[in-house]
Amino acid sequence: GQQVMQIPQYQHVQEGEDFTTYCNSSTTLSNIQWYKQRPGGHPVFLIQLVKSGEVKKQKRLTFQFGEAKKNSSLHITATQTTDVGTYFCAGAKYSSASKIIFGSGTRLSIRP
Amino acid sequence: ETGVTQSPTHLIKTRGQQVTLRCSSQSGHNTVSWYQQALGQGPQFIFQYYREEENGRGNFPPRFSGLQFPNYSSELNVNALELDDSALYLCASSLEPGQSFYGYTFGSGTRLTVV
Repeated sequence: GQQVMQIPQYQHVQEGEDFTTYCNSSTTLSNIQWYKQRPGGHPVFLIQLVKSGEVKKQKRLTFQFGEAKKNSSLHITATQTTDVGTYFCAGAKYSSASKIIFGSGTRLSIRP
Repeated sequence: ETGVTQSPTHLIKTRGQQVTLRCSSQSGHNTVSWYQQALGQGPQFIFQYYREEENGRGNFPPRFSGLQFPNYSSELNVNALELDDSALYLCASSLEPGQSFYGYTFGSGTRLTVV
């Protein structure tokens, strides 16, 4: 079945350092979304990428969608303590658009 | 304010019992998806409801069932509870089936513990 893997599983950085999480799908995705879940909270939608090779920025966050629409990345520049949480990618195949599959997530912790 | 309301927030059940979880979708959203999130894991897709019908299902057994009502609210029912059913159950509403520009709006979840 469709799988969405994320690496790394955990990332512990010094405040001010950069952070990147990578998402890889076993199948071509129709589009991909990114969510952030704070400790004890629920996933909150960040962004959606649709086009092959698309790059979008939100302040210090940069999201990329691969040319083959099978991989994606989220890069945070100069992390802040407010960035703490788990970041999930989520995608669906064209043939089953309702079945949004979440990645395993990358948990980001930050040393002040 | 999330816009999606789930009840109850916490629940403890005994193995073999049945449970019903409830979700009120965000205003204007006609699609509800349910996810199971075990500790330290990503949300696992259970099923989606659109226009009161199941519109896609993940790899969960038939003892996981659901309903959607005319006001788009939804219920998740789990029969014959097992210890492994202990998890955070998340409801997500959206403007339409599949992925949309605005993403899914998640509720705060119901923490189910099966003992």
